[in-house]
Amino acid sequence: DTEVTQTPKHLVMGMTNKKSLKCEQHMGHRAMYWYKQKAKKPPELMFVYSYEKLSINESVPSRFSPECPNSSLLNLHLHALQPEDSALYLCASSQEGGRGALYEQYFGPGTRLTVT
Amino acid sequence: SQQGEEDPQALSIQEGENATMNCSYKTSINNLQWYRQNSGRGLVHLILIRSNEREKHSGRLRVTLDTSKKSSSLLITASRAADTASYFCATDALAAGNKLTFGGGTRVLVKP
Repeated sequence: DTEVTQTPKHLVMGMTNKKSLKCEQHMGHRAMYWYKQKAKKPPELMFVYSYEKLSINESVPSRFSPECPNSSLLNLHLHALQPEDSALYLCASSQEGGRGALYEQYFGPGTRLTVT
Repeated sequence: SQQGEEDPQALSIQEGENATMNCSYKTSINNLQWYRQNSGRGLVHLILIRSNEREKHSGRLRVTLDTSKKSSSLLITASRAADTASYFCATDALAAGNKLTFGGGTRVLVKP
């Protein structure tokens, strides 16, 4: 199974809502990533988890809160978002948690988030 | 910030033609990867080339890497309509803390 799944596919939320994005992989990968992608722009790294521990936080605002409950699951908790946070949120995983970027990353299809 | 810059930003070709896109980067890298993204979807890994490699092939794809010029190229031969997508280079640079940083992308349109 070389698939990364993400739910939901689409999410519309108000600025006072709390919601969560979910990501799952069953490839035994020990590195998992959250990216944010605006239209016609490249993905921008937000967080990296390595062996279920947060290893990189790219100075992401605290209204985004990642969580890695186990080696297969990655969540992104959202609270008090702004309209400019509307984007495609991509999850990815790779082998070798310690230096995950040395291996190819497998991406999920993304969650299209709209903040109203 | 983007480590890689891609050229051209957009490319339109006829089916059967070759498509070439280039990626330049700024700092020393461990490896360079190419990804494809169909509209609004997740990215698909195409090829990884390590800093000590100069050329790599995968099916109709050919990637070159010139570390002296800090540049890479992706060639798609005999293009098909299904190759229509955005193509991104991504680098794993020591100076960036061993994370993957994506270039701006090339949008390729293959007309049938």
